[in-house]
Amino acid sequence: AQTVTQSQPEMSVQEAETVTLSCTYDTSENNYYLFWYKQPPSRQMILVIRQEAYKQQNATENRFSVNFQKAAKSFSLKISDSQLGDTAMYFCAFMKEYGGSQGNLIFGKGTKLSVKP
Amino acid sequence: DTGVSQDPRHKITKRGQNVTFRCDPISEHNRLYWYRQTLGQGPEFLTYFQNEAQLEKSRLLSDRFSAERPKGSFSTLEIQRTEQGDSAMYLCASSLFGGSSYEQYFGPGTRLTVT
Repeated sequence: AQTVTQSQPEMSVQEAETVTLSCTYDTSENNYYLFWYKQPPSRQMILVIRQEAYKQQNATENRFSVNFQKAAKSFSLKISDSQLGDTAMYFCAFMKEYGGSQGNLIFGKGTKLSVKP
Repeated sequence: DTGVSQDPRHKITKRGQNVTFRCDPISEHNRLYWYRQTLGQGPEFLTYFQNEAQLEKSRLLSDRFSAERPKGSFSTLEIQRTEQGDSAMYLCASSLFGGSSYEQYFGPGTRLTVT
């Protein structure tokens, strides 16, 4: 069974600074996808960034980038130039890929990020 | 694109009562997922549909839980004889299987409180 571990329950960062959220996962699968989702207070979950395991290049989306280390099964999220609107719960998630199909998401417990002015 | 909607947003019920939640996915999405999120935890998978077929159910989905997607559009999740341990946020998500993106789009959730 796959598991996702986020070892930082809470983090804080000053506005405009950079912060890195950690995520490790355990799987015996070779084909899978990894995601970071953001859940702002009392608002719905939205996708921040995704990474296909077969791609060696780390994904980037504007101020968000990942450091994907497949051998180490590590998938960290870096947020540059932090903004007050980045305050949210961040969830790392794993999705198995099999036979061209995708399954359900397996989430970590989340990291609560607070951006301070 | 109006996004994924869920109804009701909040539900308070007494232990032993039955409750039903509804999820309306993004219109062209053929996959629909149900997750449960308890306080301080990440969402946990319950079940998913492709069109009207229920393809997978988690062990978390006890006999008291049933989900349907009769016409391959909206879905309902029913909990019979609710227990206090059922108190949680129930999230629905949808995706387009076969498209270039496998992203799951989440609804706002239904928060269930069992008293």
